[in-house]
Amino acid sequence: NAGVTQTPKFRILKIGQSMTLQCTQDMNHNYMYWYRQDPGMGLKLIYYSVGAGITDKGEVPNGYNVSRSTTEDFPLRLELAAPSQTSVYFCASVLAGYNEQFFGPGTRLTVL
Amino acid sequence: AQSVAQPEDQVNVAEGNPLTVKCTYSVSGNPYLFWYVQYPNRGLQFLLKYITGDNLVKGSYGFEAEFNKSQTSFHLKKPSALVSDSALYFCAVSQTGANNLFFGTGTRLTVIP
Repeated sequence: NAGVTQTPKFRILKIGQSMTLQCTQDMNHNYMYWYRQDPGMGLKLIYYSVGAGITDKGEVPNGYNVSRSTTEDFPLRLELAAPSQTSVYFCASVLAGYNEQFFGPGTRLTVL
Repeated sequence: AQSVAQPEDQVNVAEGNPLTVKCTYSVSGNPYLFWYVQYPNRGLQFLLKYITGDNLVKGSYGFEAEFNKSQTSFHLKKPSALVSDSALYFCAVSQTGANNLFFGTGTRLTVIP
């Protein structure tokens, strides 16, 4: 199994541009999550999904959108990039009934 | 509301000495508690968890953690530190039955040769 994969690894955006961060897991996990990690701030939950077709907001959802059309994929969309969205983004997944979240390697995003 | 506090941004320890990384939590009901480690430019890796049962939990790479309900703490420990243990450590909590985790701000552990 590849586990949780994320693309791209790095990206620089200009203010107002849009992009999609990709996340795929091949472990047949029900739950998937998007976090952002800012220096000294730990991880903050952006959005999560408990299964295909179901998504919900986390702590910091403003400026982001998600979709979950399949069990495997959970893309995160930034529509109008702002400097405040400069961060490292992590995707994670877990099987329902278990608790150990598996994390992807992250996407480092800079908005200038 | 859930919250996690890691009171130390940085912990330095000499190689071979015991190490402790502190974590306290606040959650309604019985907590699920976790430790994750992050190496540079990598995602988080699971170390160990407490769900129920024995208060001393053993995990990967020789780490262990002790759940103390009265002190609402879940400190990470290792009897003998290795230079390769140097990394960023995160404590996390969730409510019983929930899958959403709340993370602390992280503690950077440096093991000095």
